[in-house]
Amino acid sequence: QTIVTQEPSFSVSAGGTVTLTCGLRSGSVSTSLQVSWYQQTPGQAPRTLIYNTYTRSSGVSDRFSGSILGNKAALTITGAQADDEADYYCLLDLRDFWEFGGGTKLTVL
Amino acid sequence: EVQLVESGGGLVQPGGSLRLSCEASGFAFSDKWMGWVRQAPGKGLEWVANVKEDDSASHIVGSLTGRFNIYTDSAKKSLFLEVNSLRVEDTAVYYCGKWDCTAACHLAYWGRGTLVTVSS
Repeated sequence: QTIVTQEPSFSVSAGGTVTLTCGLRSGSVSTSLQVSWYQQTPGQAPRTLIYNTYTRSSGVSDRFSGSILGNKAALTITGAQADDEADYYCLLDLRDFWEFGGGTKLTVL
Repeated sequence: EVQLVESGGGLVQPGGSLRLSCEASGFAFSDKWMGWVRQAPGKGLEWVANVKEDDSASHIVGSLTGRFNIYTDSAKKSLFLEVNSLRVEDTAVYYCGKWDCTAACHLAYWGRGTLVTVSS
């Protein structure tokens, strides 16, 4: 079974920049495997941040950006704010099958 | 404004069944993909199933085929998930989602979720 990998946790200082990654246990993530990213704060439904690897969802701050770094997809948050503290999930479209990563818990210090 | 409102969750005994519903509004239901994602308590997100509005195509995660069934009622702009032979490990919040499959597929909008608790 395909396994999508994410860092379990990450911390960033307020105002700082952090890059979260999304990989495949076997193989590499490229733009041919479209990636989307979601943010979830405690007790809330997830919110869509990025889709098709690079495109920000409507209303999402330009502090959030998606990219490919090496063999992984990446979500970069610049100018981290307290309300960026959340769980972040990537989702890979694997052609008629979709799989979320295990999520990254981001702490803003 | 797109709205997705789930219902049908609750407490059910192991081996029981439920039908989850999702009522959609604020967008044209036709020719759209809809689906379900679930989240067990304290755990991550898990894709469950997707279906095209006219039921012409659907996909269910392999581990749940045979017990879960997804379908729509276009006239009522509603999405359903039938969950059978429920197990304790099916306990989760079930989120309805509107998928955008213009290029690749991603979740464009989320409902607030409905909680299914499987317990004796």
